[in-house]
Amino acid sequence: KQEVTQIPAALSVPEGENLVLNCSFTDSAIYNLQWFRQDPGKGLTSLLLIQSSQREQTSGRLNASLDKSSGRSTLYIAASQPGDSATYLCALRGGGATNKLIFGTGTLLAVQP
Amino acid sequence: GAGVSQSPSNKVTEKGKDVELRCDPISGHTALYWYRQSLGQGLEFLIYFQGNSAPDKSGLPSDRFSAERTGGSVSTLTIQRTQQEDSAVYLCASSLGTGGVQYFGPGTRLTVT
Repeated sequence: KQEVTQIPAALSVPEGENLVLNCSFTDSAIYNLQWFRQDPGKGLTSLLLIQSSQREQTSGRLNASLDKSSGRSTLYIAASQPGDSATYLCALRGGGATNKLIFGTGTLLAVQP
Repeated sequence: GAGVSQSPSNKVTEKGKDVELRCDPISGHTALYWYRQSLGQGLEFLIYFQGNSAPDKSGLPSDRFSAERTGGSVSTLTIQRTQQEDSAVYLCASSLGTGGVQYFGPGTRLTVT
């Protein structure tokens, strides 16, 4: 059974710092991996999607990497801003016919002004 | 429409009553998903619809839960004889096709008293 873990569970950094969020998974047979942010009381906003054949994706200040062999993905946020404060979730789509996403436990990020 | 919409945004119901939650996916999206987010369990897959194919119901927690998608667009998640453990945020997502980015609605917060 696929298990997805995110470390740390919570992180507080001063504005301007670069930071890395981690996502680890137990089964490397994945179709793709998606990073989301969730603001309090809101739904999920997709940030980046990495196909299993890709190593990384970039969007603005965000860079996500994928290493299937080690069961890891990282989300790098450059020059963090208070507006980046949210819960960040990674989610895997398993290989085969399944289309459901398996979500990680989330990292609650607070960027202090 | 601009995004996935869900109604109601909040629902308080008494234990034992039936509830219906509605999801309007992004126009043209053939895939629709329901997830549940609760404090103890994180974000869990419930059910998936893709075009005219039989839905993947593997995530439904009990036979009190059912969902339908009419005309390939709007979906309704029904919970019969609600229990307190059904209290959660129910999230709907849609994607253009299988494996694409999933776009989430704002969710329905269900409280069973």
